[in-house]
Amino acid sequence: DAKTTQPNSMESNEEEPVHLPCNHSTISGTDYIHWYRQLPSQGPEYVIHGLTSNVNNRMASLAIAEDRKSSTLILHRATLRDAAVYYCILRETNRDNYGQNFVFGPGTRLSVLP
Amino acid sequence: GAGVSQSPSNKVTEKGKDVELRCDPISGHTALYWYRQSLGQGLEFLIYFQGNSAPDKSGLPSDRFSAERTGGSVSTLTIQRTQQEDSAVYLCASSLVDTPQHQPQHFGDGTRLSIL
Repeated sequence: DAKTTQPNSMESNEEEPVHLPCNHSTISGTDYIHWYRQLPSQGPEYVIHGLTSNVNNRMASLAIAEDRKSSTLILHRATLRDAAVYYCILRETNRDNYGQNFVFGPGTRLSVLP
Repeated sequence: GAGVSQSPSNKVTEKGKDVELRCDPISGHTALYWYRQSLGQGLEFLIYFQGNSAPDKSGLPSDRFSAERTGGSVSTLTIQRTQQEDSAVYLCASSLVDTPQHQPQHFGDGTRLSIL
C-alpha cells in the first residue's frame, strides 16, 4: 500500500503563509494526492487534490514534486479558523479495494498563533 | 445545500446493548462510506456502499457490526452487544460517483458513541 508521512505538528502565525509537507515515496503512477482537514469536533473536510500538476482552489494550493514523491499544501494566509489536523492521503486505483483506498494517517496538527 | 447528516450526534449506552446509527447522505450521492475514529487517531474504514449494495465491507471489525442502505439513500450502522472498545466517533461520508481516485468525500460530523 502507498503510504504518506507528515510532521506531527506545525505552528504558524496568523496571516502568514503555511507550507504543510507530505512524503509519499512509494506512490504509484496513477495515484491521486488528496488533502483533507479536520477541525475539532467535526468530520474531515475536503481541501484539494491533484495528480501531477500543481492545483489551486479557493481554500489552498497544492504543489506536487516533479517525481511525485512529495507534495506541499500551501495556505496562503493562515487564519485562526485554519487550525486543524491536516491529512495527506493517496487515493489508489485498485477498484477492488474501495474502502481501503482512503487511509488517513495521524496527519499534521496545525496551530495558528494570533 | 444540505450536507451529510448523522444522528444521533451523541449516544451513551450500556455494555451489551444494541445501537443503531443513521446517516443521511447528500442527495444524489451514490457512494456512501462508514468510518470509525478513536480519540486522537486517524480514520478506520468500516464499509462502503455503491447504491444499496456493499462491494467492500472488509473493515467491519466483527460480526457484531452490520450496515444497510435503502433506496440508495439513508444508511444505518448497527452494533450488536456493544463492548467498551466500540466507543469512538462513527463518521459517514458520501461522494457523487464511484470514482474514488478523484472524487472528494463529504463527511458528516459523526456520532460520538460511548459505551459504559
